Formats: sequence, C-alpha cells, structure tokens
Amino acid sequence: EAQVTQNPRYLITVTGKKLTVTCSQNMNHEYMSWYRQDPGLGLRQIYYSMNVEVTDKGDVPEGYKVSRKEKRNFPLILESPSPNQTSLYFCASSLQAKMNTEAFFGQGTRLTVV
Amino acid sequence: AQKVTQAQTEISVVEKEDVTLDCVYETRDTTYYLFWYKQPPSGELVFLIRRNSFDEQNEISGRYSWNFQKSTSSFNFTITASQVVDSAVYFCALSERWDSNYQLIWGAGTKLIIKP
Repeated sequence: EAQVTQNPRYLITVTGKKLTVTCSQNMNHEYMSWYRQDPGLGLRQIYYSMNVEVTDKGDVPEGYKVSRKEKRNFPLILESPSPNQTSLYFCASSLQAKMNTEAFFGQGTRLTVV
Repeated sequence: AQKVTQAQTEISVVEKEDVTLDCVYETRDTTYYLFWYKQPPSGELVFLIRRNSFDEQNEISGRYSWNFQKSTSSFNFTITASQVVDSAVYFCALSERWDSNYQLIWGAGTKLIIKP
C-alpha cells in the first residue's frame, strides 16, 4: 500500500531534549516536506527536499533540522525543543516538485513540549 | 499577506442540509493550482480535488461540487445533502511558483460540523 509513515504519532517531551520524528515513503517520490499545523494558521512549511541530499528552508525553519540521505526517508530533528514548537506535524511527499502534483501526507505527529 | 483566505472558521449545519465552504486566494501568477483537502477527526489529510488556473469548469463528484471563478479569485466547495461523516476540517490550498520551486500555501481551514 502506497503510504507516508510518520513516527511517533504522539510525543510529549521536555524543553531542550533532542528529538527526531521519522518520515518514510514507499512511493519513490522525489519531493518531501515537513509542515506544522497550528490553530487558525493552517499548515506552514518547515523544510522541503527536492531529492536526495537536497534540502531547503520553508516558511518556518527556525529550531528545526532535516536530512535526506535516502530517497524514502526525511527525518525532522528538533535539537533543543521549546514550548512554542508544540504543534501537529505532517510529513508529505509528492512525485516531483511541480505545481500540479498531489501531496500525500503522513498520519501526523502531535508534539507537546513542556 | 494572507494568500488563501477561508473566512469561515466554523460552520454547523443539520444533516441533509447543503453547505458551501468559501475559499478566496491571491496570486500574481497566471499559472497556478488550487486544492481542497479534508482533515477528519482522526487527523490525516485527505486530497479531494486539484484545479488548474486555466480550467474554470465546475466539477461534481457525487455530493461534492467545486465552483472555480477566476474573476473573483474564488474556489468554493459545496457539499449537497450533508452527512455526519462529512464532519471535518477542510483546507483550501494554492500552489504557485516560488523561486525555482513551487510553494503550497494553505488557508486556515474551515471546521464543518454536521449534526444528526
């Protein structure tokens, strides 16, 4: 089954404790991205990757890191999480970085930083 | 500046009523795409429709229909004979060129509540 898999689904952590949210897709998609969803703001892009070893900042990259060593995986790293990073996070992939390409989303990761 | 506006934060209707979700967008590009996604209470994002800027034909899919009007920069979504399972947050999104890439810009979402 074609899918984007994020883990974990829920995470509660303390300020400053490094964490990684994993994302994997099995569709051989080139383009992957991370979004955060906050009430009243919709989804905002954190980072994106157009292909292996190619990553770039989205609209709200501060406090996050990503890597794309393999095509299928695109982990999101919070080196020193803070309470303002409490949010619902989505990983997405699409076949190519083109305007008309449908994005497939993971199930979401609800992160709480206390 | 907000590029995709979903002015209705929350809509509540009784089952079987028709309901329209509004989406107004802003872009200077002549080529762009518009999307609608559904987010049910379980949280995942489900693709509903994609429309390109050169195709202003309305589209109907079962109880769902979409009205795209370039003259008013709107891409509204209507659910006919609503059902409780339609309860969800609905997002409108605009895809336009951004540097050498494209950017998907999302509205804030409209929470739709269908009461039995």
